[in-house]
Formats: sequence, C-alpha cells, structure tokens
Amino acid sequence: AQSVAQPEDQVNVAEGNPLTVKCTYSVSGNPYLFWYVQYPNRGLQFLLKYITGDNLVKGSYGFEAEFNKSQTSFHLKKPSALVSDSALYFCAVRPPSGSSNTGKLIFGQGTTLQVKP
Amino acid sequence: DTEVTQTPKHLVMGMTNKKSLKCEQHMGHRAMYWYKQKAKKPPELMFVYSYEKLSINESVPSRFSPECPNSSLLNLHLHALQPEDSALYLCASSTVRDGPGEKLFFGSGTQLSVL
Repeated sequence: AQSVAQPEDQVNVAEGNPLTVKCTYSVSGNPYLFWYVQYPNRGLQFLLKYITGDNLVKGSYGFEAEFNKSQTSFHLKKPSALVSDSALYFCAVRPPSGSSNTGKLIFGQGTTLQVKP
Repeated sequence: DTEVTQTPKHLVMGMTNKKSLKCEQHMGHRAMYWYKQKAKKPPELMFVYSYEKLSINESVPSRFSPECPNSSLLNLHLHALQPEDSALYLCASSTVRDGPGEKLFFGSGTQLSVL
C-alpha cells in the first residue's frame, strides 16, 4: 500500500530557532513528493516539491526539504522559524505514472507547527 | 490570476435541502478536484475532472453530484446530505501537462454544516 506518515501531531519551536517537520513515505518506484501548508480557515498552499535531481529542494517562505531515498524521508526544514509560520503542514506523495493511484495526491495526517515568540 | 474561487464560504443546510457549491479558476488549468476535509485532518479526494471529463470518483455517495460545465467551472451538487457530511469542501486545480508532478492550487473552501 502507498502511504505517507507524519509521526508528530504537533511541533513546538521558539521563534528564531530552526524547525523540522518530519515525513516518511512508502511508495513503489520514484515518487513525487510535496509539502503544503494550511493556515486557519484557508485552503492548502503549495510550499515545495521534489520530482528528481538535487535532494535539497527550496520552496516558498524560506522553507526547504531534503529527500532521502534510503530512509524514504522528505523532512521539511527552515533555519529560523517565525511566529507567522504557525500552521498545519501536510506532506503528500503522488505515485509515479503507470502505478496504481496515479493522479491521486496521498496526504499525511498533518503536523501542527506552533512557533512561540 | 492565480486564484481558485469558491462560493459560498459558509453553508448551512437541512437534510432535505438541495444546494450547490461552486468553484472557478482562470489559470487555464484542465484538471479540477473536489476534496472533503474534516477539522485537523488531511483532505480526502472525492472527484477529479480532467479536460472536463470525470476521471476519478473515489466511491463517493450519490448524494454528492459533481459537474464540470466548462474548463473554468466546477460545481458540486448536494442533496439529502447527512450530518456526518459536515466538513470543509475544497476545490483545487492543476495543469495536466506534466502529470503527477504538477502542484495543486486550492481554494479557501466552503464550510458546510448539515443540520
């Protein structure tokens, strides 16, 4: 079965400190990996994606993510957190073309990031 | 214009009502999606339209009826809903050019309450 896991329901970090939101995946073949953020009462916003190439992907608002094939992980990182980064973060995977579930975006359960001043 | 616009933002309906949710985008995207999201949970895919044709139906009950009248509009018709259908309904769109690597653009959603 193809799945995405976000092991932490909530991550708390002080403003100015680095943050990491964890994501691991289980997909056969080479997956397409995404991070989305959801602010209260809003839809999801795209942050970044990994398709192929450099394992370190840079995205919006200073976020980046590192693809690690051996550990099947795609952790989201930011060197210095802001209070305004507080939101719900979703990791997602799209199985590669030709596999079952192609076209579907499979979301993790989400991680609430709380950045305190 | 990089927005997906959903109306209404809030909707309260009884179990015998018929209502419709509307979604509009002018980015030239040819794939459009309906998702259902419960509070603090991930979105659940309901339907996918590709080039105005229904390509994925995730075994959604028939009380939800999607419609894609043209490449910019997506509707979700609701009839005889149950209280457990109360949720945030999200519309999204994407290009289909590059397939699975394309990012989704989401609307802000319609918060639906079924009484």
